[in-house]
Amino acid sequence: NAGVTQTPKFRVLKTGQSMTLLCAQDMNHEYMYWYRQDPGMGLRLIHYSVGEGTTAKGEVPDGYNVSRLKKQNFLLGLESAAPSQTSVYFCASSYTASTEAFFGQGTRLTVV
Amino acid sequence: RKEVEQDPGPFNVPEGATVAFNCTYSNSASQSFFWYRQDCRKEPKLLMSVYSSGNEDGRFTAQLNRASQYISLLIRDSKLSDSATYLCVVQRSSASKIIFGSGTRLSIRP
Repeated sequence: NAGVTQTPKFRVLKTGQSMTLLCAQDMNHEYMYWYRQDPGMGLRLIHYSVGEGTTAKGEVPDGYNVSRLKKQNFLLGLESAAPSQTSVYFCASSYTASTEAFFGQGTRLTVV
Repeated sequence: RKEVEQDPGPFNVPEGATVAFNCTYSNSASQSFFWYRQDCRKEPKLLMSVYSSGNEDGRFTAQLNRASQYISLLIRDSKLSDSATYLCVVQRSSASKIIFGSGTRLSIRP
């Protein structure tokens, strides 16, 4: 039972490079989320999706794009990475927004 | 004002002590309440849901105070393994996204 799987787990990017983080869940959840976590800042919502083909902005969406082409996958893209995007990224999924959220193990991204 | 606010701590208490911390919320229409635990460099995991009548799970007790708009988490007989960050979630029934409090860091010393 894999739950929520994030790839990659670690990545170092140069400023201006692009990359895509993949989140996959096998629980048939409708809701999926991308958060970033910085020291002392808690979890901040980047983008979220309430179902296949839908996406919406969270608290800190600038510099990121997302896609939810398949229900089980939620992709987070950085088109032109900046040092300010150095962070730990967590993907999560839930049945609804009022039920338990299950998290992936996180992606540690460093932009130099 | 943030929707959900927590005292960041850190709370530094001796093993065996009882510790409690709160999470205040601003929207009186909130219906669902949760506590999550996050260990260092790990993902958050659900610790317990918070019910209107309060609930207990072993050494952990969660309570809801609707009048004052806060939830609380009480840990009795604290263990070294309780050291972690505790995050609260407060949701309206119509919510479409999950917003976490910024977390309270707890450190248990021998």
